[in-house]
Amino acid sequence: GAVVSQHPSRVICKSGTSVKIECRSLDFQATTMFWYRQFPKQSLMLMATSNEGSKATYEQGVEKDKFLINHASLTLSTLTVTSAHPEDSSFYICSAQGQEVNEQYFGPGTRLTVT
Amino acid sequence: AQSVTQLDSQVPVFEEAPVELRCNYSSSVSVYLFWYVQYPNQGLQLLLKYLSGSTLVKGINGFEAEFNKSQTSFHLRKPSVHISDTAEYFCAVSEPGGSYIPTFGRGTSLIVHP
Repeated sequence: GAVVSQHPSRVICKSGTSVKIECRSLDFQATTMFWYRQFPKQSLMLMATSNEGSKATYEQGVEKDKFLINHASLTLSTLTVTSAHPEDSSFYICSAQGQEVNEQYFGPGTRLTVT
Repeated sequence: AQSVTQLDSQVPVFEEAPVELRCNYSSSVSVYLFWYVQYPNQGLQLLLKYLSGSTLVKGINGFEAEFNKSQTSFHLRKPSVHISDTAEYFCAVSEPGGSYIPTFGRGTSLIVHP
């Protein structure tokens, strides 16, 4: 089946530094990937839609200059949290759209802790 | 715009008992409906989905859900739960012909006690 990986699974960084999270579709090509943020005991909040070869579409209230998204190939999208602050600490999950547009395959998530 | 309501934030149940996790949605058009499971510190795994056809949908791990258009519900059921079913369950809805990006409910924490 379709597998999506994320790296790293956990990262701790100091306030003010930048962190890059990778999302890869391992056995299929994904022209569209999605980035979500999940706060403890809450649902997933869509941050942005990432399309291969074009600029990401950000949801209202998400700072595009803070959360940089790059989708340079059909199997890789990256999310860079720039100048991270403790309030950016969260669980970040990516998903990749399958061949059927109603199918999404989720990565295992990345736990970001900013100290 | 579509929305999803999961009425229960937490459902405790004893092992081998039946369980129902409730989900109601609102949408002005036809819908696709999904249930996902999330184990601690992991991503989401699709349990089952309703796209069209039979209103009773069977999924993995012995779960099933029934689409009820008149009640705008898509409740998830399992006749006998195991300890390993302890997890967070998310209901989601998307609109065919639109962006297909699902809207998630807030989640229901299923806690199975021995």
